[in-house]
Amino acid sequence: EIVLTQSPGTLSLSPGERATLSCRASQSVSSSYLAWYQQKPGQAPRLLIYGASSRATGIPDRFSGSGSGTDFTLTISRLEPEDFAVYYCQQYAGSPGIFTFGPGTKVDIK
Amino acid sequence: EVQLVESGGGPVKPGGSLRLSCAASGFTFSGYSMDWVRQAPGKGLEWVSSITSGSSYISYADSVKGRFTVSRDNAKNSLYLQMSSLRAEDTAVYYCARDWDGGSLDYWGQGTLVTVSS
Repeated sequence: EIVLTQSPGTLSLSPGERATLSCRASQSVSSSYLAWYQQKPGQAPRLLIYGASSRATGIPDRFSGSGSGTDFTLTISRLEPEDFAVYYCQQYAGSPGIFTFGPGTKVDIK
Repeated sequence: EVQLVESGGGPVKPGGSLRLSCAASGFTFSGYSMDWVRQAPGKGLEWVSSITSGSSYISYADSVKGRFTVSRDNAKNSLYLQMSSLRAEDTAVYYCARDWDGGSLDYWGQGTLVTVSS
């Protein structure tokens, strides 16, 4: 079973700053099956990035994903007020599929 | 517009059963795998179950295997989660979500809260 670890647990930043979120897998993950989600309080998660680096429909280009193997990164180039939220990475493996989510990184206002 | 609307949540006693439903609209439901994901109060996301478009392949998280059963009715554009032998740790908001590319979930419902308590 693949375990995802996200760091840091909380990231305190100011609007306009750059956010770098890490997701590390306990074993190699196919880049095709690594995704990132944003969740705000009281809302369902929203898909941001799929296939490790492809932005989902309607996602602003300040969000970018990168990485391969066991190390993946979500970068928010310049934080907007609406970007303060919790971010989860997720991987998919197997047939039939098993999804695994990381524990999340909270990005809050400094 | 893609919409997923869950229903069926509520309070239930430990050991009890509950059936969740997810009504889908705005896309060809029969063409997509669907998933259930839950979130305990104040906690992170936990994947629960997946079912492929034709119900050929079904998978479950170890935490619910043997207690939960996922199913779908493509004629009714609906996804279901039959939950039995419920435990306090099953208390969570349950989301249905569409698996659009075989590895990520692009549309989510608003969730339905299941509370297991005596």
